[in-house]
Amino acid sequence: NAGVTQTPKFQVLKTGQSMTLQCAQDMNHNSMYWYRQDPGMGLRLIYYSASEGTTDKGEVPNGYNVSRLNKREFSLRLESAAPSQTSVYFCASSEALRRNTEAFFGQGTRLTVV
Amino acid sequence: DAKTTQPNSMESNEEEPVHLPCNHSTISGTDYIHWYRQLPSQGPEYVIHGLTSNVNNRMASLAIAEDRKSSTLILHRATLRDAAVYYCILRDNNAGNMLTFGGGTRLMVKP
Repeated sequence: NAGVTQTPKFQVLKTGQSMTLQCAQDMNHNSMYWYRQDPGMGLRLIYYSASEGTTDKGEVPNGYNVSRLNKREFSLRLESAAPSQTSVYFCASSEALRRNTEAFFGQGTRLTVV
Repeated sequence: DAKTTQPNSMESNEEEPVHLPCNHSTISGTDYIHWYRQLPSQGPEYVIHGLTSNVNNRMASLAIAEDRKSSTLILHRATLRDAAVYYCILRDNNAGNMLTFGGGTRLMVKP
């Protein structure tokens, strides 16, 4: 089972370049999330999508945009990358936003901005 | 989300039980207690969750104190593959029920 698939796995960008991180899930989940994890830290929520057609800001949304393309796919875009956005990015999905549902995470995208 | 407190790190011997504690003294009556773990260089992985009663699944057991102000994740026989950071998280009805990750407990398993 694929679960949550993120592409690419690694990326190096120059300051000011743009890129889109892709995420797709095959579990027919309604809710999807983007997190970032800096070295030695816990995960912080960037954006989430409760259901197809909706997106909302999380804890650290500045410098990012998202698109819920359809029920399966949720992309994260960096319009003008900065060194402070060097991090590991995780996409996740869950059946819904209910308190008693589990989330499934992708393997991450390791992004370096130089 | 309400806050949780976990030890920064713990050590265990292989094939012995491990009890990972979590304090959540400000938990509300409707908060669910979730546990996730993150193996090196991987995304977090769901372990278990519960509300009031103790819970068991194939990965672990969750023991919840009667006053719900603390809980313990129990790995019955630690293996080297269980070496990971374990996160205890409360999910409530606010802020869209997001998973908020703190520092977690780094579990080291010795052969």
